Amino acid sequence: SQKIEQNSEALNIQEGKTATLTCNYTNYSPAYLQWYRQDPGRGPVFLLLIRENEKEKRKERLKVTFDTTLKQSLFHITASQPADSATYLCALYTGGFKTIFGAGTRLFVKA
Amino acid sequence: DSGVTQTPKHLITATGQRVTLRCSPRSGDLSVYWYQQSLDQGLQFLIQYYNGEERAKGNILERFSAQQFPDLHSELNLSSLELGDSALYFCASSVEGSGSGVTQYFGPGTRLLVL
Repeated sequence: SQKIEQNSEALNIQEGKTATLTCNYTNYSPAYLQWYRQDPGRGPVFLLLIRENEKEKRKERLKVTFDTTLKQSLFHITASQPADSATYLCALYTGGFKTIFGAGTRLFVKA
Repeated sequence: DSGVTQTPKHLITATGQRVTLRCSPRSGDLSVYWYQQSLDQGLQFLIQYYNGEERAKGNILERFSAQQFPDLHSELNLSSLELGDSALYFCASSVEGSGSGVTQYFGPGTRLLVL
């Protein structure tokens, strides 16, 4: 069956460290993979999109990698700050009109 | 501010009732999506419209229906409400529904409480 897996356990890290979140998927061949941030009670906010033929994408302190062989994307936040604390969702666009969201990983950055 | 507006922000109603949630997409976006998010749960995709036509359907109950109007705003109708329908309902829009225009911009949500 088709699945998107993100760490259900929260990730706790110290301010200044790099946070790495994982998105694994099975039985999908996504053309694009996106990462969103969601704060409690608010709508998700788009962060980055990476295409299947791209290995890596960066935006300021954010970096996304996409390995279609491993069927995995890694999302990195460098020099993390308490303000980065949120839930991070990965989303796969699989063609046609379908985008599938993962359940998200909650990140806590301690000062 | 994503440019997507949703009304109302909050809605409190009783079991068995019917409500309508409204969404206005960003200017220029043709695709509208509806999601349900219960407390501490992930986003559950309900339905997607593109330029007035239904394009994709998720786990939408038969008691729920939606439509997208010629001016591209969308409404989600929830009827015969049950306690378990209490949730945040998000609308999102994108330029297109496919290809590179799939980045979704989410509204602030409507918080529905069914008593």
